[in-house]
Amino acid sequence: GESVGLHLPTLSVQEGDNSIINCAYSNSASDYFIWYKQESGKGPQFIIDIRSNMDKRQGQRVTVLLNKTVKHLSLQIAATQPGDSAVYFCAEEYGNKLVFGAGTILRVKS
Amino acid sequence: ETGVTQTPRHLVMGMTNKKSLKCEQHLGHNAMYWYKQSAKKPLELMFVYNFKEQTENNSVPSRFSPECPNSSHLFLHLHTLQPEDSALYLCASSQGTAPYEQYFGPGTRLTVT
Repeated sequence: GESVGLHLPTLSVQEGDNSIINCAYSNSASDYFIWYKQESGKGPQFIIDIRSNMDKRQGQRVTVLLNKTVKHLSLQIAATQPGDSAVYFCAEEYGNKLVFGAGTILRVKS
Repeated sequence: ETGVTQTPRHLVMGMTNKKSLKCEQHLGHNAMYWYKQSAKKPLELMFVYNFKEQTENNSVPSRFSPECPNSSHLFLHLHTLQPEDSALYLCASSQGTAPYEQYFGPGTRLTVT
């Protein structure tokens, strides 16, 4: 998993399997969270966001889960594809700023 | 593409040089940001502009000087940089300052020699 400010973990999954990327955030007052994907040589790309009044939000092949009790955020990717290989960042909105985690590397094995 | 462009994509400069990074957004957003991304570190917010006014300077050294002439353009002027300033510099924009999704450009890979 990932915590804001710590080193970069790596998750390796087989193509077609589901991926779960975790993030621990630090501010209990944060009310907006966002996941980004960053491929090599590109800037971060928005995946999905969630507000603190929700526990779950689904997009296309992705689901974000928010557990405010333990300050934990996760990103689930269904049927992981080679194109999903990238670094994934979570970010929390706090004090009108986005505070980013260091990221998790996702490697998809064919 | 995200609608945020950055030039140049790569820049190598000496410590005594002066150079500028340019960012342009085509999204009609009001807020623009500069971030620094170093290897295996979280994105570091440098500057925030909202409606052309600087609203955040995150204790950035004065050798980095931002300029926002209008809501669509953002510059980062560089002078007398240090090797530790080598990083990927990312520009982003958003509808407002928070809590809104930010759209990022591809970044400028800066190497200071």
